[in-house]
Amino acid sequence: EDQVTQSPEALRLQEGESSSLNCSYTVSGLRGLFWYRQDPGKGPEFLFTLYSAGEEKEKERLKATLTKKESFLHITAPKPEDSATYLCAVSGAAGNKLTFGGGTRVLVKP
Amino acid sequence: NAGVTQTPKFRVLKTGQSMTLLCAQDMNHEYMYWYRQDPGMGLRLIHYSVGEGTTAKGEVPDGYNVSRLKKQNFLLGLESAAPSQTSVYFCASSYVGRQNSYTFGSGTRLTVV
Repeated sequence: EDQVTQSPEALRLQEGESSSLNCSYTVSGLRGLFWYRQDPGKGPEFLFTLYSAGEEKEKERLKATLTKKESFLHITAPKPEDSATYLCAVSGAAGNKLTFGGGTRVLVKP
Repeated sequence: NAGVTQTPKFRVLKTGQSMTLLCAQDMNHEYMYWYRQDPGMGLRLIHYSVGEGTTAKGEVPDGYNVSRLKKQNFLLGLESAAPSQTSVYFCASSYVGRQNSYTFGSGTRLTVV
């Protein structure tokens, strides 16, 4: 059974204070690791897909990295508009289904 | 706008009542999914469909039924609602293929009293 654990559950940052979110996973035959952003009252919004260890993807102040056991989402010099819940998910060999972690709620104060 | 549309957005049910949640997508996606999201539990897969006329159970299917009569629509039914089914329900769809990123709807907030 695929499992995803995210830490910390919540993160409070000052504007400009860089930090990292962790996503640990166990999966049979990783087909992809996904990061989503979710704003209150809305559905998750796709950010990145990572397919193999060593891969990195960047988008504005966000950078996602992948190892064989975990992924990190680095937030560099965050702004208040980066406040959201960030979700990690994996797709394994079982098929086209995503297993999600519990998410990390990020609050960036000005 | 193209995407995934869920109706209704909010609903309050009494225990034992039934209802159907509708999900419609206009992206010609093959795969569709129903998830529920609860505090501290993350998103959990209820049922999914890999094509018109097909459905399969996910992680938490008990108490729910689904139908995919048309490729663009995926219906989630609650035959006899229970307070434990109070949750936010999200529908998603995706293409078949390697980059199987989902497109999510905006959710249905259901309260069962």
